Amino acid sequence: DQQVKQNSPSLSVQEGRISILNCDYTNSMFDYFLWYKKYPAEGPTFLISISSIKDKNEDGRFTVFLNKSAKHLSLHIVPSQPGDSAVYFCAASERTDKLIFGTGTRLQVFP
Amino acid sequence: EAGVAQSPRYKIIEKRQSVAFWCNPISGHATLYWYQQILGQGPKLLIQFQNNGVVDDSQLPKDRFSAERLKGVDSTLKIQPAKLEDSAVYLCASSLERTQETQYFGPGTRLLVL
Repeated sequence: DQQVKQNSPSLSVQEGRISILNCDYTNSMFDYFLWYKKYPAEGPTFLISISSIKDKNEDGRFTVFLNKSAKHLSLHIVPSQPGDSAVYFCAASERTDKLIFGTGTRLQVFP
Repeated sequence: EAGVAQSPRYKIIEKRQSVAFWCNPISGHATLYWYQQILGQGPKLLIQFQNNGVVDDSQLPKDRFSAERLKGVDSTLKIQPAKLEDSAVYLCASSLERTQETQYFGPGTRLLVL
């Protein structure tokens, strides 16, 4: 039972363009969502988060959008840079610190 | 500030052998998590400690996995005996307290069971 789904295993984007990574969830009780970035041979690092009381959170080139009615969130990276090439994990929690992770999307930014 | 440290980074064992992983969290972090990440999947929580007490071990296969956090600092995760399906990356994470905010992850231990 996959409560957090990232249906695109990979995404390829040209440098300077927008990258959009998507995440769907099934548990309507989730109230906090996070995106983590992972480089090879390293642990995931926190990127950005959003509470369910908001529909948008922005941090520099990164913006997360939350659509509660559709149980969908997305991460926008503008402009995309080669250093953004990594695996991105969406995670969600239900009023606790227990995170449920998606399967990840591998982003490749090419020149 | 030093990050979460884990050792070893890689381990190859044969099935039915035992193995142990070590984690040193960020100084002062009361909460420690062990995750299992199987290839192609996201990290899955195995066990969570608050200081030296277990908060959640509902997804820990207790017939073969064990973990402890003596003195509320370092932690060890043990598998005995190992199975082929235990091949995965074992990630340790820590956070200052039990909140929905950021968890800081170590580099992980990659285990291969032959």
